[in-house]
Amino acid sequence: NAGVTQTPKFQVLKTGQSMTLQCAQDMNHEYMSWYRQDPGMGLRLIHYSVGAGITDQGEVPNGYNVSRSTTEDFPLRLLSAAPSQTSVYFCASSTGVQETQYFGPGTRLLVL
Amino acid sequence: DQQVKQNSPSLSVQEGRISILNCDYTNSMFDYFLWYKKYPAEGPTFLISISSIKDKNEDGRFTVFLNKSAKHLSLHIVPSQPGDSAVYFCAASEGYSSASKIIFGSGTRLSIRP
Repeated sequence: NAGVTQTPKFQVLKTGQSMTLQCAQDMNHEYMSWYRQDPGMGLRLIHYSVGAGITDQGEVPNGYNVSRSTTEDFPLRLLSAAPSQTSVYFCASSTGVQETQYFGPGTRLLVL
Repeated sequence: DQQVKQNSPSLSVQEGRISILNCDYTNSMFDYFLWYKKYPAEGPTFLISISSIKDKNEDGRFTVFLNKSAKHLSLHIVPSQPGDSAVYFCAASEGYSSASKIIFGSGTRLSIRP
């Protein structure tokens, strides 16, 4: 039982490049979400999903896309990276919105 | 517009004493509150939660108090131990609907000194 896994652990991008941050969970959780953590800002919700085929925007969705084709996977796509997207990204999953969220170890992204 | 606020970025407490972390919220529709703990280079882990129908919830050394009229909650750690040194995030959500989101505060870094 791996829990929530995220790849890659660390990535450097140039401005304008695109990439996909991967997130997978093996707990059969319906609710998954993406957060970014910035100094002094805490964890801010980017996008979330309440089940396969359903996604919605969080507090800071601009510049990011998501899809949820399976229960297990919830990738986050940056279409054209900007320096403002330099951050640590966390994926989380839970059985419901008011249930305990299990977080992955994070992806550290640096955009030059 | 921060709906969940942790106004103390850091807190230093002597080992064995009580640590009190505070959190304020502005959305009166929030009805479920959580505390998460985060060590460096790891994802946050769940610590304790409280529903708005309660004003206190205890789990071992950790107690969360909720004051709905003041829109304030606090986390008490007694006694504080070195392993408690971490960043603590307060979070809140509104309802169980599919539109519900969990909103986090900015975190408080707790340091337990010997």
